[in-house]
Amino acid sequence: DTGVSQDPRHKITKRGQNVTFRCDPISEHNRLYWYRQTLGQGPEFLTYFQNEAQLEKSRLLSDRFSAERPKGSFSTLEIQRTEQGDSAMYLCASSSRTTGTRKYFGPGTRLTVT
Amino acid sequence: GNSVTQMEGPVTLSEEAFLTINCTYTATGYPSLFWYVQYPGEGLQLLLKATKADDKGSNKGFEATYRKETTSFHLEKGSVQVSDSAVYFCALSDQENTPLVFGKGTRLSVIA
Repeated sequence: DTGVSQDPRHKITKRGQNVTFRCDPISEHNRLYWYRQTLGQGPEFLTYFQNEAQLEKSRLLSDRFSAERPKGSFSTLEIQRTEQGDSAMYLCASSSRTTGTRKYFGPGTRLTVT
Repeated sequence: GNSVTQMEGPVTLSEEAFLTINCTYTATGYPSLFWYVQYPGEGLQLLLKATKADDKGSNKGFEATYRKETTSFHLEKGSVQVSDSAVYFCALSDQENTPLVFGKGTRLSVIA
């Protein structure tokens, strides 16, 4: 069990640029979640995959955000035309039926939009 | 919808002091309850959990009891250490495939 990994760990971009983050879940986990955490707040749910199917999207996921999990393994989260309000920590978590309600979190990608 | 409310921080304690961080929840069913901890520069780690009423979760000297009658899951530790300095998040999940709902977090600083 190598844990959930995320890449990059830090990203600084200029407003208006596109960014893409990657999450590699624990290998046997078929469920994958994306969260956003802003300063002083708890993580907020963005979207959820079961295998390759995106089953749920939060209203926080504006049309500038898109997430994919093409082969049911790793996932990418893309933000187009970034805004300063997108600056946050983006967290990925994974789980499986055997983990029950417990989710395993990655270290996060910290995005700074200048 | 489901929600979690936890006490605002920051909380500053001296080493060996008693810690309580309050957490209450609103949920339609019978959720599982969690405390996650985030140490400086690190990701979220599960500290403890409880899956049904009156269950007590415990780990590393921390405890929390699932109180259905008061919809609470307060975190306690009898004697904190400097190494406990972190942000603590209360969270719930009502089904195994639904996302966690988090509170805003409570920052704990323990001074020697």
